[in-house]
Amino acid sequence: EVQLLESGGGLVHPGGSLRLSCAASGLTFSNYAMTWVRQSPGKGLEWVSSIIGNGGRMFYADSVKGRFTISRDNSKFSLYLQMDSLRVEDTAIYYCAKGKSAGAVDRFDPWGQGTLVTVSS
Amino acid sequence: QSALTQPRSVSGSPGQSVTIFCSGTSGDIGGYNLVSWYQQHPGKVPKLMICDVTMRPSGVPDRFSGSKSGNTASLTISGLQAEDEADYYCCSYAGSYTWVFGGGTKVTVL
Repeated sequence: EVQLLESGGGLVHPGGSLRLSCAASGLTFSNYAMTWVRQSPGKGLEWVSSIIGNGGRMFYADSVKGRFTISRDNSKFSLYLQMDSLRVEDTAIYYCAKGKSAGAVDRFDPWGQGTLVTVSS
Repeated sequence: QSALTQPRSVSGSPGQSVTIFCSGTSGDIGGYNLVSWYQQHPGKVPKLMICDVTMRPSGVPDRFSGSKSGNTASLTISGLQAEDEADYYCCSYAGSYTWVFGGGTKVTVL
């Protein structure tokens, strides 16, 4: 069974930084693209960023481009999201999710339990 | 990367069918067969219900079905059951390795 476990969330001031992690188990991690999706409190889902299996290509939503960096360490079965220049509107639960294959996202399944990021002064 | 358009809510009685429509553009839904649907119960993690427009992952009841016509995708729940009460989100590939979600639809079982 594939399991994803996010960590690293917390309270940070506007302009600050935070690094999220997602630990994966039950899969050959490098065989799958991975994605971060966020959900603001009481709101809908928003795609944030994806990375292919070998880490060679990364993709970002316009809302985070230039501020967030997605990366992965396949030897550690881990996915990361470095978040810099954080804004109040970045406040959300951040989920990591597995894609269809190494080179294709195509779907988000399964999802981790999420980690809450709160940006507030 | 504009959000897809979904109705805020739909409702139905047990046993009835409900359909959720998800409206996009030729740059997302209309341009690719990469529409997926997610179910989210309150306080829970989203769950994949439909992928690739019509494909139902293993374990998803066959009362859930997906389709697409032009720039609009739809999710139909046939034989509505109490446990189907949840929020449902559509999602589509939007080109250039970007993805866009709908705003979500709350399904209420009367």
